[in-house]
Amino acid sequence: RKEVEQDPGPFNVPEGATVAFNCTYSNSASQSFFWYRQDCRKEPKLLMSVYSSGNEDGRFTAQLNRASQYISLLIRDSKLSDSATYLCVVTLFSGGYNKLIFGAGTRLAVHP
Amino acid sequence: GAGVSQSPSNKVTEKGKDVELRCDPISGHTALYWYRQSLGQGLEFLIYFQGNSAPDKSGLPSDRFSAERTGGSVSTLTIQRTQQEDSAVYLCASSFPLRGNNEQFFGPGTRLTVL
Repeated sequence: RKEVEQDPGPFNVPEGATVAFNCTYSNSASQSFFWYRQDCRKEPKLLMSVYSSGNEDGRFTAQLNRASQYISLLIRDSKLSDSATYLCVVTLFSGGYNKLIFGAGTRLAVHP
Repeated sequence: GAGVSQSPSNKVTEKGKDVELRCDPISGHTALYWYRQSLGQGLEFLIYFQGNSAPDKSGLPSDRFSAERTGGSVSTLTIQRTQQEDSAVYLCASSFPLRGNNEQFFGPGTRLTVL
């Protein structure tokens, strides 16, 4: 079983749509949680951190459910520029440092 | 300020040759990481440096892979006797893990093609 699992997609949605991505992680000792965004043929960049209390950044809302080991990302009013791959990331304290474990990513394509 | 830089951006080599990939982290970042990303796949962890030492080399796929870091700054990933399955994008990231800040900043990657 993969440590971080995501639906690979692609999710094809029209502009203005609301889309939700899910992610599950296997290790209950995971400590911190993030969503990274990776544009085609570019490097990953941090999108936002994820907290149990939920957090919102403009059109983006991230949520963590520790009991279910489940992370979500909601994008409202999708824009063409949101088209990218969204990587779910957890950290695990291992070998004396916080190791980032990446999911394989969910691809989003927003069309006019 | 300057981000993480990597060179070369693209490398095409023949099977069996050695290659060296370079990473210049963000100035002051003590932690440096190498990852590999094959086409359509997620990031595969290779090695972690704290300063010049590598406390976690667990992701290196074989003894053909090695890495070093000097002066707490530049790092070089070396692949000896390259194989076709080594073809991938090699990404370097750096961070300053203070007070639980885990954000890693990635370079643009080196796209390696082994013919």
